[in-house]
Amino acid sequence: GQNIDQPTEMTATEGAIVQINCTYQTSGFNGLFWYQQHAGEAPTFLSYNVLDGLEEKGRFSSFLSRSKGYSYLLLKELQMKDSASYLCALSGSNYQLIWGAGTKLIIKP
Amino acid sequence: DGGITQSPKYLFRKEGQNVTLSCEQNLNHDAMYWYRQDPGQGLRLIYYSQIVNDFQKGDIAEGYSVSREKKESFPLTVTSAQKNPTAFYLCASSIDAGTGANVLTFGAGSRLTVL
Repeated sequence: GQNIDQPTEMTATEGAIVQINCTYQTSGFNGLFWYQQHAGEAPTFLSYNVLDGLEEKGRFSSFLSRSKGYSYLLLKELQMKDSASYLCALSGSNYQLIWGAGTKLIIKP
Repeated sequence: DGGITQSPKYLFRKEGQNVTLSCEQNLNHDAMYWYRQDPGQGLRLIYYSQIVNDFQKGDIAEGYSVSREKKESFPLTVTSAQKNPTAFYLCASSIDAGTGANVLTFGAGSRLTVL
């Protein structure tokens, strides 16, 4: 089977760094996605990893270890607008996405 | 600007009624999807379509129906057979459905409440 786990909620301080973890189990792997979703709005694409390693995009970076079934999203220089839910999604053997429940990130001044 | 438009944003329905949620995209994407989002759960796939006049059931298709008569449009009908329809419904599209790097573009969502 396939499943994804990520923490339900995290709190961080404005200007700090936060790492949101995602662990998964799957029989087929075609990539891992991170999306951001502000409350009541549409998810928006942040990153896609298919090879091991770190992908950096400005203040956001995403890491993947296929052997460990593990990914993380790293957010630097946190801003209040980064308060949102962060969704981890796995592309499995049939290319359909399996979604984690999301991590709600709360940023405090 | 290209994007996906969902309507209505909020919808109230009485038990026993069917309702149809609209989804239109002008991104020229082949694939379209309907997801349901409930608190504390990941997005769950209801139906998807890879090409006009063809669609496939997702994980939770019971009580829902779709059509794909035009490339741009993928309406979802929530029927009275759906036992717990109150949820946030998200429509999405992608260039195609058969690759790993299949980035989805989402609409703003429709929140359905059954009274």
